[in-house]
Amino acid sequence: EVQLVQSGAEVKKPGESLRISCKGSGYSFTSYWISWVRQMPGKGLEWMGRIDPSDSYTNYSPSFQGHVTISADKSISTAYLQWSSLKASDTAMYYCARSPPGIQLNHYWGQGTLVTVSS
Amino acid sequence: EIVLTQSPGTLSLSPGERATLSCRASQSVSSSYLAWYQQKPGQAPRLLIYGASSRATGIPDRFSGSGSGTDFTLTISRLEPEDFAVYYCQQYGSSPNTFGQGTRLEIK
Repeated sequence: EVQLVQSGAEVKKPGESLRISCKGSGYSFTSYWISWVRQMPGKGLEWMGRIDPSDSYTNYSPSFQGHVTISADKSISTAYLQWSSLKASDTAMYYCARSPPGIQLNHYWGQGTLVTVSS
Repeated sequence: EIVLTQSPGTLSLSPGERATLSCRASQSVSSSYLAWYQQKPGQAPRLLIYGASSRATGIPDRFSGSGSGTDFTLTISRLEPEDFAVYYCQQYGSSPNTFGQGTRLEIK
């Protein structure tokens, strides 16, 4: 069974750094891309970027380029989303999702990680 | 970037009725790379339809998708109580892939 299991909820202060994770199981982790999708409170879905775990090639939405970093460790089948300096506006639910290489179609989703940034 | 506009914003219907949701793109969607997702409160989105009209694994046949170019439709033939949720369209033919703002399907 394909599963994407995300790390738990986080509460951080503005200016702090954070890395959240997404662990894949039940499939070959390097055969599919992992994307990250943001959902702000009460709002819709926004694609942030994706990584090819086989070579760690990344592609970002212009809206998120430079604000977050996506990485992966294929030895432990885990992808990451990272911030160096959080803002209150980063408060949101973050989902990872799996797609076939070359097609940004998200068949499988993680359960989501809620990030709250508040002073 | 392709902008997707969904209508209506909210649709109020009763179980057993037919639901028709619209998704309009600001430019043609390449190869009909248009998907529909369902999201219930507190849950991750679930893929329903891809390639504009193909049902994902395990999706009941009361869900159907149609359209091409810039106009796409999700139809739920007979609403079940579990169908009341928010529905998003997504185009994945052009980078960056983009989502519509969602249609909330609520019980009348």
